[in-house]
Amino acid sequence: AQKITQTQPGMFVQEKEAVTLDCTYDTSDPSYGLFWYKQPSSGEMIFLIYQGSYDQQNATEGRYSLNFQKARKSANLVISASQLGDSAMYFCAMREGAYSGAGSYQLTFGKGTKLSVIP
Amino acid sequence: EAGVAQSPRYKIIEKRQSVAFWCNPISGHATLYWYQQILGQGPKLLIQFQNNGVVDDSQLPKDRFSAERLKGVDSTLKIQPAKLEDSAVYLCASSPGRVSYNEQFFGPGTRLTVL
Repeated sequence: AQKITQTQPGMFVQEKEAVTLDCTYDTSDPSYGLFWYKQPSSGEMIFLIYQGSYDQQNATEGRYSLNFQKARKSANLVISASQLGDSAMYFCAMREGAYSGAGSYQLTFGKGTKLSVIP
Repeated sequence: EAGVAQSPRYKIIEKRQSVAFWCNPISGHATLYWYQQILGQGPKLLIQFQNNGVVDDSQLPKDRFSAERLKGVDSTLKIQPAKLEDSAVYLCASSPGRVSYNEQFFGPGTRLTVL
């Protein structure tokens, strides 16, 4: 079974509008972390936001926020006030064993969503 | 602070040839990762080093791929011999160490084309 599922291969959003990128995950480990990365056409993976499984509040970083619904195992990324520079691939990733100190700390990535911001 | 450096940025080889990639992590970062990203997919971990020891290489095709991290700093990833399906971007990442919040910093990647 897929550990990270991103069901939207591509999304379009008008500049200055908000957009939600979907991510669902599958794990039996109670301790895990969820990450979102942005990958522009240049290829480098840029960290955006992190949510721990025991965090009480939804994570926010500037224009990025994470809509964490633990019971539904979803961790959607919300980008507010989209900018042209937001056009890129977006990847959701999970690391299991985040709090236990165990595990290899590897990230398991989804297949990504290509976001295009329209002027 | 300098980021993760990788070279070369692009490489084109013929199948059955050998190729090597180099990575210099962020100074002081104990943990180093090599990922393979095939077109249209997310990155997949190949190998993880903690200092100069291997933590996880369960997804590394050991019959053709090898990696080393001498002195716990720079790392090289080698493919010998290459196959067509090895065409991908090879990403190197590093992180400060084994802490609960473990953001990984990625390099620009090496794009390999096997003909």
